[in-house]
Amino acid sequence: DQQVKQNSPSLSVQEGRISILNCDYTNSMFDYFLWYKKYPAEGPTFLISISSIKDKNEDGRFTVFLNKSAKHLSLHIVPSQPGDSAVYFCAARGAGNMLTFGGGTRLMVKP
Amino acid sequence: KAGVTQTPRYLIKTRGQQVTLSCSPISGHRSVSWYQQTPGQGLQFLFEYFSETQRNKGNFPGRFSGRQFSNSRSEMNVSTLELGDSALYLCASSLEWAGGAAEQFFGPGTRLTVL
Repeated sequence: DQQVKQNSPSLSVQEGRISILNCDYTNSMFDYFLWYKKYPAEGPTFLISISSIKDKNEDGRFTVFLNKSAKHLSLHIVPSQPGDSAVYFCAARGAGNMLTFGGGTRLMVKP
Repeated sequence: KAGVTQTPRYLIKTRGQQVTLSCSPISGHRSVSWYQQTPGQGLQFLFEYFSETQRNKGNFPGRFSGRQFSNSRSEMNVSTLELGDSALYLCASSLEWAGGAAEQFFGPGTRLTVL
């Protein structure tokens, strides 16, 4: 039972355009949502987070939107840069400090 | 501030052996969590330690265990290794305060290969 899903395994965008990565969840008890960026053979790097009581959080080129009624969150990267190419994971915090991760979306930003 | 460190970075073991992995959290972080990443199952939560106590445990067999020391450093142990235990093992640390954000910061991982 996948509680956090990223339905797009890959996404390709042109440099300078917007990248939108999506994530769906089923557990309404999740209270915090996070996005991580990951390169092969490295640990995930924290990007941005959002509390379940908010619907938007912005940090530089990264914005996360949360739609609680739809149990959906998205990460917007504007403008996209070639250095953003990586695998992006969304994660949701449940009991205690436990994170449940989605399967990841590979983003490729073409110059 | 130094990040999360994990040792060793790479390990090769044979079936039936046991292994111990080490994690040093960011200074001041008291919560340490362990995750397993495999191509088939993705990133899965193993357990979390806070103040030397296991607070949460994921759905893994008892061969996977861990502990945390008074300086917040943590170790995880896998006994009777199986081929399927080959994975990247990630440690993450976070600050902890009631009702607050709990961004977890990950170390580089330990790549375990079981032959």
